[in-house]
Amino acid sequence: QQQVKQSPQSLIVQKGGISIINCAYENTAFDYFPWYQQFPGKGPALLIAIRPDVSEKKEGRFTISFNKSAKQFSLHIMDSQPGDSATYFCAASQNSGGYQKVTFGIGTKLQVIP
Amino acid sequence: SAVISQKPSRDICQRGTSLTIQCQVDSQVTMMFWYRQQPGQSLTLIATANQGSEATYESGFVIDKFPISRPNLTFSTLTVSNMSPEDSSIYLCSVSRSGEQYFGPGTRLTVT
Repeated sequence: QQQVKQSPQSLIVQKGGISIINCAYENTAFDYFPWYQQFPGKGPALLIAIRPDVSEKKEGRFTISFNKSAKQFSLHIMDSQPGDSATYFCAASQNSGGYQKVTFGIGTKLQVIP
Repeated sequence: SAVISQKPSRDICQRGTSLTIQCQVDSQVTMMFWYRQQPGQSLTLIATANQGSEATYESGFVIDKFPISRPNLTFSTLTVSNMSPEDSSIYLCSVSRSGEQYFGPGTRLTVT
């Protein structure tokens, strides 16, 4: 059972456009929602994260929108660039025995074309 | 943040053999995590390794197949035992620091 549902699985966006990736969750015990960016041959790198008491967080061209009542959150990449081409994972974590246990979405492969 | 290195970065192994993957962190951490990422798939937690205690395995993963060592607060190993082609994956070491999770570069394993 997929605890964090992510869509789309692949996305092609023109340079300068907006990339939007959506995620949904069921477990209300999740209390932290990070996004990771992974380039081929590399490990995932933390991109941006949000807590459920905030509806939006922006860092540069990257924005997370969070809807607690709908249990949905999304990543918006403004002015998308070819260098943003990577796989993006949404995630949700909860405290489990003294550490944050992270559950990942299936990933979205983003391609930004010039 | 955390600086994490893994060895080897990649390997091609024969069916039935074992491979030990090493993970080194730049400073002490309590918890270390091992993940598997199958081709084109998401990350699946294999086990959590706490220094001085037995690793805790997730459902579907067993110690006989994936033995883990955690001899100190900056180092861990994961062994993939009696490998089959289905074990071909990227294996990632991860640590938690200040509530964030950081990943190593991964070990790309191909089993023939």
